Amino acid sequence: AQKITQTQPGMFVQEKEAVTLDCTYDTSDPSYGLFWYKQPSSGEMIFLIYQGSYDQQNATEGRYSLNFQKARKSANLVISASQLGDSAMYFCAMTQKGGSQGNLIFGKGTKLSVKP
Amino acid sequence: SAVISQKPSRDICQRGTSLTIQCQVDSQVTMMFWYRQQPGQSLTLIATANQGSEATYESGFVIDKFPISRPNLTFSTLTVSNMSPEDSSIYLCSVGSRETQYFGPGTRLLVL
Repeated sequence: AQKITQTQPGMFVQEKEAVTLDCTYDTSDPSYGLFWYKQPSSGEMIFLIYQGSYDQQNATEGRYSLNFQKARKSANLVISASQLGDSAMYFCAMTQKGGSQGNLIFGKGTKLSVKP
Repeated sequence: SAVISQKPSRDICQRGTSLTIQCQVDSQVTMMFWYRQQPGQSLTLIATANQGSEATYESGFVIDKFPISRPNLTFSTLTVSNMSPEDSSIYLCSVGSRETQYFGPGTRLLVL
């Protein structure tokens, strides 16, 4: 069965430092997509970054980069130069087997706290 | 990117009643998705709404409890029927392409 695992319930990082949020996944589907979302206390889900299973290079979007290690089935999110506004819940998600776009399964999330 | 709006943004309801949540997108999309996020939990897909056909429900969700309408390519509604306190959650609609999935701002529902 497909599964997303985020093993860090909470993380602390000092402002301006980099932080890595872990995500591992399990799927037998050769084609899949991996997503990261940010959810501040307001509850909205903010799309951060996408990585396709066939993409050769790691995805980057501004201060966000995805460390994709296909053989290890990991898709860690790296946030560089952390800001106070980065404090939020972060969710890793994956397209479900046989699912079209939008059919996502989510990990349990990691709560990131940025310290001044 | 798609702009998605939801109504209401939040509501407090009595058990046994029903609430209809609206989702509006600023562009035409083939599929719309409804998710639930229970307090302190992750997101779970409820159903996929295609225009012109019956919604497809995930395991554990049934049409009688969560009827969905999709009258056109920019709009969908999700009804939470015969509510109980366990239905207290954030309900989010979502649209997107293969590489991007956007979510609406969510509807915070509290059932007393």
